[in-house]
Amino acid sequence: AQSVTQLDSQVPVFEEAPVELRCNYSSSVSVYLFWYVQYPNQGLQLLLKYLSGSTLVKGINGFEAEFNKSQTSFHLRKPSVHISDTAEYFCAVSDRGGGFKTIFGAGTRLFVKA
Amino acid sequence: DTEVTQTPKHLVMGMTNKKSLKCEQHMGHRAMYWYKQKAKKPPELMFVYSYEKLSINESVPSRFSPECPNSSLLNLHLHALQPEDSALYLCASSQLGKEETQYFGPGTRLLVL
Repeated sequence: AQSVTQLDSQVPVFEEAPVELRCNYSSSVSVYLFWYVQYPNQGLQLLLKYLSGSTLVKGINGFEAEFNKSQTSFHLRKPSVHISDTAEYFCAVSDRGGGFKTIFGAGTRLFVKA
Repeated sequence: DTEVTQTPKHLVMGMTNKKSLKCEQHMGHRAMYWYKQKAKKPPELMFVYSYEKLSINESVPSRFSPECPNSSLLNLHLHALQPEDSALYLCASSQLGKEETQYFGPGTRLLVL
């Protein structure tokens, strides 16, 4: 079984400051890792994903994440945030062996202040 | 076209009503999903269709009835819902063989009175 822990339920940050949203996972099998963003009253949008290869993954809107197998982490970072980045961010995992199930973390609310 | 569309955007229904949610994609994806998302919670998987056949039913109550009439369309029929069923219902699709990458629609926000 897999699980995902997002260590912060809310992260307030000032505009143009850097931000890191933390995600740890637990799994007995190899996994794929994802970050999704959900803006208010909208569906989920895929920010980035780690399937294989380089452990540093770049996504849309200037976000990047680093896969750390030894620490079972997949933290999301952005060097300079904008007001428009205010949203809910979900970390997620799915089994590399296939199957339809994606397990989501509880979410982190990023609130960017002017 | 990488879009999943859902209608309606909002729906208010009484506990005795029958309504349907619709989802459409034209990406050629043969896997389609329904998720339920309560406020301030992550999405929870309800159903998965693969090649228009039901593959996964996550023990969802029978008042929710999914239907996949063709490879582009996915419906969720609702009957005798409870107020606790009020939520955002998200549809997603993926390629078979690449199920890990799902494309989500904007959702239907349902309120049951």
